[in-house]
Amino acid sequence: DTGVSQNPRHKITKRGQNVTFRCDPISEHNRLYWYRQTLGQGPEFLTYFQNEAQLEKSRLLSDRFSAERPKGSFSTLEIQRTEQGDSAMYLCASSPDRGRSTNEKLFFGSGTQLSVL
Amino acid sequence: GNSVTQMEGPVTLSEEAFLTINCTYTATGYPSLFWYVQYPGEGLQLLLKATKADDKGSNKGFEATYRKETTSFHLEKGSVQVSDSAVYFCALSPYTGGFKTIFGAGTRLFVKA
Repeated sequence: DTGVSQNPRHKITKRGQNVTFRCDPISEHNRLYWYRQTLGQGPEFLTYFQNEAQLEKSRLLSDRFSAERPKGSFSTLEIQRTEQGDSAMYLCASSPDRGRSTNEKLFFGSGTQLSVL
Repeated sequence: GNSVTQMEGPVTLSEEAFLTINCTYTATGYPSLFWYVQYPGEGLQLLLKATKADDKGSNKGFEATYRKETTSFHLEKGSVQVSDSAVYFCALSPYTGGFKTIFGAGTRLFVKA
């Protein structure tokens, strides 16, 4: 168990640029989640994958955001035309698939801190 | 909708003091309830969980009891240590409506030696 890995740890970009983050979940975990966390707040759900299928997207996820999980392994989160309001910590988490169970714990990565200037 | 409300921080305690961090929730049905902890410079990790009414979750001296009648899941520890300094998040996973976990805003705890 090498844990959930996220890259890069930090990203500084100028407004209007596109950025892409990568998440490598724990290898046997079928579920993968993206969250966003701003200072002083808890993680806010963005989207969720079951294997390669994106099953749920939050209304927080505007059209500028897109996430993929090709082949059901690693995932990428892309933000197009970044805005200053996108500055936040982007967290990835994974969990095993145990059917309809809703009580599985999430394993979080250390996050990617995005700063939009 | 589903939501979690927890007491605002920061909470500052002396070592060996008693800790309570309040958490209440709004949800339909019977959600699973969690406490996650984030130590400085680290990712969130599960501290404890409870999946049905009157269940008590416990870990590392921390406890929380699932109280459906008061929709609460308060975190307690009898004697805190400096190493418990962290941010604590109360969270729920709804029984219906998908598999996402919903988090409270977090409570920062400082423990002084």
